Amino acid sequence: QVELVESGGDLVKTGGSLRLSCEASGFIFSDYYMSWIRQAPGKGLEWLAYIGSGGRSIYYADSVKGRFTISRDNAKNSLYLQMSALRAEDTALYYCARADAVNYMDVWGKGTTVTVSS
Amino acid sequence: SYVLTQPPSLSVAPGKTARITCGGDNIESKNVHWYRRKPGQAPVVVISYDSDRPSGIPERFSGSNSGNTATLTISRVETGDEADYYCQVWDRTTDHVVFGGGTKVTVL
Repeated sequence: QVELVESGGDLVKTGGSLRLSCEASGFIFSDYYMSWIRQAPGKGLEWLAYIGSGGRSIYYADSVKGRFTISRDNAKNSLYLQMSALRAEDTALYYCARADAVNYMDVWGKGTTVTVSS
Repeated sequence: SYVLTQPPSLSVAPGKTARITCGGDNIESKNVHWYRRKPGQAPVVVISYDSDRPSGIPERFSGSNSGNTATLTISRVETGDEADYYCQVWDRTTDHVVFGGGTKVTVL
């Protein structure tokens, strides 16, 4: 079945870096846009980034542009989010999701937790 | 930037109809998608492209989009429908995904 499994979440110090991964299975990964979304404690969903099926089309939310980098390895069926200059407000549950182009996210992983603390 | 406005909460009795609104400037010109997030679970899309219901989503869920308001309607509400519901659009002006703030639905 279609599945997305995130990993890499951790406790990290303010200003530090972290790389999240998302492993896809059950579908042709290279055919789909992919996305990262997060939910901070007590807050709503916040979209972070999209990447096109070939990795060339990339879009970022203003809140993470310049600090976070989305990438993918279609040979490994994997999506990544490189996060740097982390702030306390980046503390959240991070989801990866399969996307219907840039329209909506039709399959979501269970998420991985990032905690940023001094 | 484009803003989507949802009521923070909504209470409904079992068997009744819940209508969750999502307000945005000329939202009818955009495709609106709706997600349900239950505690401890990943979000699930319940309506895409204003009114399309993905396979596995009950017919009790429906959507509409007109003027400045999109609406998710849940008919014959069940206790299992308790969740947070989010609307979402793609804003072509900024190339950004925009989520509404979410509506917490409580079944009394």
